Amino acid sequence: SQQGEEDPQALSIQEGENATMNCSYKTSINNLQWYRQNSGRGLVHLILIRSNEREKHSGRLRVTLDTSKKSSSLLITASRAADTASYFCATIGGGRRALTFGSGTRLQVQP
Amino acid sequence: NAGVMQNPRHLVRRRGQEARLRCSPMKGHSHVYWYRQLPEEGLKFMVYLQKENIIDESGMPKERFSAEFPKEGPSILRIQQVVRGDSAAYFCASSPGGNEKLFFGSGTQLSVL
Repeated sequence: SQQGEEDPQALSIQEGENATMNCSYKTSINNLQWYRQNSGRGLVHLILIRSNEREKHSGRLRVTLDTSKKSSSLLITASRAADTASYFCATIGGGRRALTFGSGTRLQVQP
Repeated sequence: NAGVMQNPRHLVRRRGQEARLRCSPMKGHSHVYWYRQLPEEGLKFMVYLQKENIIDESGMPKERFSAEFPKEGPSILRIQQVVRGDSAAYFCASSPGGNEKLFFGSGTQLSVL
């Protein structure tokens, strides 16, 4: 079963707007990671947030983590057309010893 | 420093043939992970290996699929007697240790005719 599930499945916004994606997971975690995938390419690591952290920033990215609700959000501020990609959250759990990924949010940023 | 290298980029096989997918991790990385992705879907974990050892193969189908990461050379994902349902993109990732920050290859697109 999927450890992480992203919401929404798809998101379309205009350039300059903010994009928010959510991730819910099922079991306790040590950290939660967000990755980005451009069409036809491998995933690229964006940011890691540890279970004892509530918020983390990296450039235009802001990640929050609520362990009581088993959820995380990824905010991309001032989006650009180049941010168009699929975004995945990843955690370790469900008896596995490797990262498991959600189904992703497909973000389309219209120029 | 070269990234994770996967080859071939595209692989076409007929039903019943064998498929061998190769992955060379980043220099200094001893942990390798294989994932499978169908169009418009997320990555499904298959297997996690450390040099010469399988750490977690809970996502690997019980039959026809095997993986290795020898002391020397790339990691190999082997699919015997391929079927059309095996058609997918197979991604390899590596890390220096544990599960923090995986580095992904560009994937191998397997098409089974």
